Amino acid sequence: DTEVTQTPKHLVMGMTNKKSLKCEQHMGHRAMYWYKQKAKKPPELMFVYSYEKLSINESVPSRFSPECPNSSLLNLHLHALQPEDSALYLCASSHLGRPEKYFGPGTRLTVT
Amino acid sequence: AQKVTQAQTEISVVEKEDVTLDCVYETRDTTYYLFWYKQPPSGELVFLIRRNSFDEQNEISGRYSWNFQKSTSSFNFTITASQVVDSAVYFCALSEEDRGSTLGRLYFGRGTQLTVWP
Repeated sequence: DTEVTQTPKHLVMGMTNKKSLKCEQHMGHRAMYWYKQKAKKPPELMFVYSYEKLSINESVPSRFSPECPNSSLLNLHLHALQPEDSALYLCASSHLGRPEKYFGPGTRLTVT
Repeated sequence: AQKVTQAQTEISVVEKEDVTLDCVYETRDTTYYLFWYKQPPSGELVFLIRRNSFDEQNEISGRYSWNFQKSTSSFNFTITASQVVDSAVYFCALSEEDRGSTLGRLYFGRGTQLTVWP
C-alpha cells in the first residue's frame, strides 16, 4: 500500500468555525508533513512530524494546530482562519532518512 | 537564494510535439536528490522520478525522459509526442542530505504550467 489518504477532499468553513483535516498512511513511514499550496505557487512546508513528535514548525500561525495521534495519522486542526488561508493542503509521508515523499491528494480549503 | 529554478512559467504546445521543461538547481552538498512531480488540475502531486547526485545516467520511461547534468546543475525533463493528458503543472524539486534538523526538506521550483492543445 503506497497511498496517502486525506479527508475531506473539499472544505468550506467560516472564519469562526473549527474544523480538522485528516491524513492517513499505512506504509510504516515515521515522518509526516503538512504543506500549504496557494494557486499557481509551489507547496510550502508547514510542519514536520518525526516519530509522532513535532520536529519542524515553519512559523505557522497558531490558528493551525497539528496533531499526530499515532504513527499512521496526522491531523491539522483549524480555528479562526482567515480568507487568505484558503489553499490546497497537502499531506506527505516518508521513511526517515529517505528522500522520497509520498503525497496525498490534498484538501482544498475555502475560508469564507 | 532559490535552490531550484524553473525559468519557464508557462509552455503551450500542440499535441504530438516534443517539449522540454528546464530545471536548474543549486546546492553545496555532494549527496542530494532531484525529483520531478506532476500536478494535474485535480491537485494531487504525482511523483515522476527521483535522481541521486551520484548517478548521472539519463533515464527514459515511455514518452518521458530526463537529462541530468551535474556540470551545468540541470535536470531537464522531456516529453516526446505530447498528449492532452500531459497538461499539468510540473515541479522540479531538490532534497539535500538528511541531517536530522532538515529532515530531507524538499525545495520546490515555482513550477511550469504545460498546456497541450489538441
